[in-house]
Amino acid sequence: DAGVTQSPTHLIKTRGQQVTLRCSPKSGHDTVSWYQQALGQGPQFIFQYYEEEERQRGNFPDRFSGHQFPNYSSELNVNALLLGDSALYLCASSLASAQAQYFGPGTRLTVT
Amino acid sequence: GQNIDQPTEMTATEGAIVQINCTYQTSGFNGLFWYQQHAGEAPTFLSYNVLDGLEEKGRFSSFLSRSKGYSYLLLKELQMKDSASYLCAVRDSNYQLIWGAGTKLIIKP
Repeated sequence: DAGVTQSPTHLIKTRGQQVTLRCSPKSGHDTVSWYQQALGQGPQFIFQYYEEEERQRGNFPDRFSGHQFPNYSSELNVNALLLGDSALYLCASSLASAQAQYFGPGTRLTVT
Repeated sequence: GQNIDQPTEMTATEGAIVQINCTYQTSGFNGLFWYQQHAGEAPTFLSYNVLDGLEEKGRFSSFLSRSKGYSYLLLKELQMKDSASYLCAVRDSNYQLIWGAGTKLIIKP
């Protein structure tokens, strides 16, 4: 049973560029949440997708956008990258009504 | 505002017991989660509490008091592999997870 997968593992981008991160949820899960985690901090909620729609959104600017596909996989897009966007980006999947979210290994984004 | 407080760092000895506390103030409450996160890795689910009381799962137990806005994670028979950060997260009235900054647990031989 495949768990949550994310790609790429690491990414280096230049300020002002755009980036797309990808996530495949755990088999049987239909909800995907995205988080940003700075070093030494807890995850910060970006948004959640269910049935291909953004269901909830955290306190992130419009530069952060996403998408969920019919197979429940998801993308996170960040435009006009800033140095402060450097972080670990985590994807978590769950069943809409379930208790726990299960995390992927994350994508380490470095903006120079 | 919403706030979750945990100690920044704790140290314990292999074989001992440690209790990691978490206090929260959130807009609504729909459950509290504990996750373990090793350095450079993703968080892994440990426990879930939605009703008051103690939930035991092997060497790990988690306690919740909703009236006090308080939870703790109890780790028994500590092993070196338990060295990690432990994250407390509360699901608020919008079913959004609010996370603490995590407690770094250092286990010494």
